[in-house]
Amino acid sequence: DIQMTQSPSSLSASVGDRVTITCRAGQSISSYLNWYQQKSGKAPKLLIYAASSLQSGVPSRFSGSGSGTDFTLTISSLQPEDFATYYCQQSYNTPYSFGQGTKLEIK
Amino acid sequence: QVQLQESGPGLVKPSETLSLTCAVSGYSISSGYYWGWIRQPPGKGLEWIGNIFHSGSTYYNPSLISRVTISVDTSKNQFSLKLTSVTAADTAVYYCARERGIVGASDLDYWGQGTLVTVSS
Repeated sequence: DIQMTQSPSSLSASVGDRVTITCRAGQSISSYLNWYQQKSGKAPKLLIYAASSLQSGVPSRFSGSGSGTDFTLTISSLQPEDFATYYCQQSYNTPYSFGQGTKLEIK
Repeated sequence: QVQLQESGPGLVKPSETLSLTCAVSGYSISSGYYWGWIRQPPGKGLEWIGNIFHSGSTYYNPSLISRVTISVDTSKNQFSLKLTSVTAADTAVYYCARERGIVGASDLDYWGQGTLVTVSS
């Protein structure tokens, strides 16, 4: 199984801040890395697929980068609706695996 | 618009079998893609359980492979999850989702709302 490790586990930030979340894979996964946003009591929502492709309907303030083992999700200017938990997921090999999550909170 | 809806008992007794169904609308399962199950224990992260293609081809998480079966009914446009010999550790919100792409290069682009299954006597 491929281990996915996110950092930080939690993060406090203010509206308008630029935020970066990191995800590291236990082995190379090429660009087969997805990012999801989950709000309390809701299903996860796909934000970024294939490491850097923006899912349709997702605001352009979200961006992803990386390949191999190291990936980042960046939110360029935090909005109130962005406070949520974010998960990375590798789809290179089954069993697909998720990071432990990064909880983004209001400072 | 693709929509997925989970259904099944919200309470299962220990050692019994958890059974859930995911009804898909707005897209024919027979048109392609894999269809998956993911679970999330209360307050914890996401765990991929497994998936199925319309042909019946499946991939399972090795951590659950001895207890899990995923099946598909293309005539009803739905797929199902069975998990046997459940314990309290199987208490979770269970989600179904569409796996867009191919195995090894996919993402989960549509999700059901999730259903909480509690294992308790």
